[in-house]
Amino acid sequence: GNSVTQMEGPVTLSEEAFLTINCTYTATGYPSLFWYVQYPGEGLQLLLKATKADDKGSNKGFEATYRKETTSFHLEKGSVQVSDSAVYFCALNSDTDKLIFGTGTRLQVFP
Amino acid sequence: GAVVSQHPSWVICKSGTSVKIECRSLDFQATTMFWYRQFPKQSLMLMATSNEGSKATYEQGVEKDKFLINHASLTLSTLTVTSAHPEDSSFYICSASRLGQGAETQYFGPGTRLLVL
Repeated sequence: GNSVTQMEGPVTLSEEAFLTINCTYTATGYPSLFWYVQYPGEGLQLLLKATKADDKGSNKGFEATYRKETTSFHLEKGSVQVSDSAVYFCALNSDTDKLIFGTGTRLQVFP
Repeated sequence: GAVVSQHPSWVICKSGTSVKIECRSLDFQATTMFWYRQFPKQSLMLMATSNEGSKATYEQGVEKDKFLINHASLTLSTLTVTSAHPEDSSFYICSASRLGQGAETQYFGPGTRLLVL
C-alpha cells in the first residue's frame, strides 16, 4: 500500500544552518507529494507541493524535488531561522484522493 | 483566509463518558471535512470523510458507532467519541476543503487532545 517515511526528530540546528529533512514514499501510480508545516498551537499548513517527477516545489526558502527514481521528496532550506521551528510533515495524495502522512519531524532552531 | 478552528483544544474525561469535538470553518464554506487522529510519534491517520448533509465515509477499521460524525452545515462538523475508553486518548485533527478542491487543498484545525482516564 501507499506509505510515507520521514526521518525522526527532533532536528536541532543553529540559525543560518542548512536543513535537510528526508522523506521517502511507497505508492502505486503517480502520486502528488507535499510538505506541510505545523507551527506551535496552529493547524497544519501546506508548505509546498510537487505533482510529477522532477518537479521542484518551493516556498519561503524551502524546496523539495520529486525524485521518482529514488522515491524521495527531501525538504531543504539553505539557511534556517528561529521562526522555522515547527513540525514538518511529508505527505502524498493517493490514487483515492486521500492524504497519507509521514510521522512528522520536529525542527528546533536556536539563535 | 481559510481558517479552521476546533473546540475544545483539550479535554479530559472519565472512562465511559462521551466527548464531542467541534470543527468549524470560519471564513469559507466547507463542503468536505476530514477527521484524523494522531498517536504520539505516529502519522496522522484518516478516520473519516464527511460531506455536508450526507453520512460520513469511514476508513477501514474505524468504528462508526464509536466515532459519530455529523456534518450538519457548511461550516460545522462534529466528532463524538462515544463511551470513551483510555485507548481512545489521542490527538484529533480536523480539516476542511472547499467545493471543487482536491484532497491536497485541505485547511487544518489546530487539533484537540483527548485524555480518557
